[in-house]
Amino acid sequence: SAVISQKPSRDICQRGTSLTIQCQVDSQVTMMFWYRQQPGQSLTLIATANQGSEATYESGFVIDKFPISRPNLTFSTLTVSNMSPEDSSIYLCSVAVPPYEQYFGPGTRLTVT
Amino acid sequence: GENVEQHPSTLSVQEGDSAVIKCTYSDSASNYFPWYKQELGKRPQLIIDIRSNVGEKKDQRIAVTLNKTAKHFSLHITETQPEDSAVYFCAASIKSGGYNKLIFGAGTRLAVHP
Repeated sequence: SAVISQKPSRDICQRGTSLTIQCQVDSQVTMMFWYRQQPGQSLTLIATANQGSEATYESGFVIDKFPISRPNLTFSTLTVSNMSPEDSSIYLCSVAVPPYEQYFGPGTRLTVT
Repeated sequence: GENVEQHPSTLSVQEGDSAVIKCTYSDSASNYFPWYKQELGKRPQLIIDIRSNVGEKKDQRIAVTLNKTAKHFSLHITETQPEDSAVYFCAASIKSGGYNKLIFGAGTRLAVHP
């Protein structure tokens, strides 16, 4: 597995603002993923971040709302832009350990007021 | 697209009993099926997985079975303990643009009563 950290662990933000979430892993990984977990719900994939290329977004998620950076093999950021209360969720990054396994970061609990 | 259905949504057992959670998937090309345990306020934790070339895998008190023909797989927990109480998610892999991504079931909230 890998040691994965996320910052911040939680935040309370006002609507209309943006928050950038950081994901750091202790080893080089090719694929990183960003998920959203709404209260009491399952995990929904937002996008896949492959180092050196543009992120690939899932249906219902767009780059303008959730821009992602992947500057190197150990780090990624997800920005939640122009937030509304509907964006209140837990945001989790995960890393792929080839060929299939995924391990999750501790998550960022976002509340938008 | 790929869909993963998970049942039951809640499960309540007495300590020492067995618990079974079932999932079905739609994409016949899926070949990797992990199970995650998520305790309250914690991250999902990979507890066991199975690949399509295997029918059953066991790790102490937990086991997973896979029926590729019927496209379903199950998690079995024996001799349940209160610390098994959590939400369990199944997932199925799908190939997308040269990499594998996971589609998750809706989750099962397991309560083990002493």
